[in-house]
Order: sequence, then C-alpha cells, then structure tokens
Amino acid sequence: DAEITQSPRHKITETGRQVTLACHQTWNHNNMFWYRQDLGHGLRLIHYSYGVQDTNKGEVSDGYSVSRSNTEDLPLTLESAASSQTSVYFCASSEGWLSYEQYFGPGTRLTVT
Amino acid sequence: GQQVMQIPQYQHVQEGEDFTTYCNSSTTLSNIQWYKQRPGGHPVFLIQLVKSGEVKKQKRLTFQFGEAKKNSSLHITATQTTDVGTYFCAGLIRGSQGNLIFGKGTKLSVKP
Repeated sequence: DAEITQSPRHKITETGRQVTLACHQTWNHNNMFWYRQDLGHGLRLIHYSYGVQDTNKGEVSDGYSVSRSNTEDLPLTLESAASSQTSVYFCASSEGWLSYEQYFGPGTRLTVT
Repeated sequence: GQQVMQIPQYQHVQEGEDFTTYCNSSTTLSNIQWYKQRPGGHPVFLIQLVKSGEVKKQKRLTFQFGEAKKNSSLHITATQTTDVGTYFCAGLIRGSQGNLIFGKGTKLSVKP
C-alpha cells in the first residue's frame, strides 16, 4: 500500500546544530508540504513543492530549507536549530491535479535544548 | 493575508449531545476540506466540498459549504467518545496548485 513516512519520529538536538527531517511518500504525488504544529497555532506551512526541483516558501520558512531531487522525498533542514523550533513537524503530500486532499505522515517531534 | 478562522477553539460535550464547528474564510475558496486529528496522531482527510451550498453526510457527520464559498460547518449528531479529537477545516485558495489554508482547529472532548 502507498504511504508517507517520516523519520526520525522523535529527535532531541542542541541549539545551533543542523538537523534534517526526512519525508518519503510512495503515492507518486506531485505536491509535498511541510507543516509545524504548535499549541494554539494549528498547522503552519513551512515549505512546499509542486514537483521535482520546485520549492517554495510558506508562512513560517525562516530558518528552514528544503530540496526536491525526486518525486518521493522532501527533506526538511533546520540550518541552525533554535529553541523556538521545538515543535511537531508533519509532512504531507497531495496528487495536485485531480485531487488536492492531503495525506499526512505520522509526524516528527523535535526538541531543541 | 488570506485566513481561515475556525470557532470554537474548544468544545466539551456530554456523550450524546450534538457538536458543531464553523469556518470562515476572508476570501472565496475553490473548495474546503475537513480533517480529523486524534490525540497523538496526524491529521486525516475526512471530506472535500466543492460546490456552492453543497451538503454532504458521513453517518453522524454533516458538512456544509456556504453559498458564497467563504464559510463551512461540520455538525456531529449524538457525539460518541470515538469522536474525540481536533477537527480542522482547510480552504483551497482559487488559483492555487494545492496549498491549503488551515483553520486552527476545534478540539472536541466527549464526556461519557
């Protein structure tokens, strides 16, 4: 069955370190998204991609970067982790042409100490 | 910027009572989607509404899309403990290739 996975599921890192969160989907979807979820803020869009080699900034992109070298993967990199980036991160994908419903991964809980 | 406002933020009900959450967009939407997130889980797609005035039902859940395509509601009849979670609406902006604007969600708790 097609799925979307994220790794790691939990991560503790120190301030200033570079961190990469992986997202892999086997739906063959064109669109991929990264969100962060914090209490009281709902889901906020960090970066998104409409296809290979395409990346775009979302609402809260400062301090984050992504790259899309193939259809399946959209890794999220925190260049220099800050305590304000402690959050739960969700990756999602959608077909992007016939359907816009998003399929979410299980999430990564990141703690920056 | 474009926003989708969702109310209430929290709702506590007795099992068997009804529940409604409302979404309002600052702009006209192409469609609106609803997601459910169980505690500790990830958002899961429930339904998509596309047409002006559209009403869809899934068992005890009724979804409505406003005539102006700027507001929507989710109504649950006779809540059960399995309905616990956070319900999000998400609007697809006209001309977007797939970006959704999420409401902040309504967290539903059900007392047995």
